[in-house]
Amino acid sequence: DGGITQSPKYLFRKEGQNVTLSCEQNLNHDAMYWYRQDPGQGLRLIYYSQIVNDFQKGDIAEGYSVSREKKESFPLTVTSAQKNPTAFYLCASSRDRENEQYFGPGTRLTVT
Amino acid sequence: KNEVEQSPQNLTAQEGEFITINCSYSVGISALHWLQQHPGGGIVSLFMLSSGKKKHGRLIATINIQEKHSSLHITASHPRDSAVYICAVNPWETSGSRLTFGEGTQLTVNP
Repeated sequence: DGGITQSPKYLFRKEGQNVTLSCEQNLNHDAMYWYRQDPGQGLRLIYYSQIVNDFQKGDIAEGYSVSREKKESFPLTVTSAQKNPTAFYLCASSRDRENEQYFGPGTRLTVT
Repeated sequence: KNEVEQSPQNLTAQEGEFITINCSYSVGISALHWLQQHPGGGIVSLFMLSSGKKKHGRLIATINIQEKHSSLHITASHPRDSAVYICAVNPWETSGSRLTFGEGTQLTVNP
């Protein structure tokens, strides 16, 4: 089965700790994306990558970092510099930048 | 003002009713997407369209590029259609590489 996996589904961390969210796809898609969703707000783009070893900041990149060393993997690190890290994080991929995006199941991060 | 506006924000219907959700946008776009998000959080792409109309089962999506407006229709609604429906666009200014999202419409269909 082709698809996008995110792990874990729920993640709890103490304030001041960095945490890495996993995103893997076996769809052979070139483009991958990380979004953040907060209650009552639309999805906001954190980072995106259109090709291996390249990525661009989205609208809310401060306090986050990514890497794209392999086509199938696009991990997101939420650093201690992110002021409000508690949110629902969604990863997506698309064949290329102008095609429909396929979303993973999401990771709900709670930082206390 | 958001670049993508959806209405209504919340919609409650009785099973069997015809439902319409609207999306207006203020920028030039290469495509518009309708997405469905279930309570668990996962998102499914329903339609991607750049002109005209698409139909899939009981779902119909239309777009009017000149008026910068799209509608999502659900015929013979069912409680399993209860979800958040999200409109998103690929703005020309980003060369189609990024989506801009509306805030979503929460649909509840009662039996």
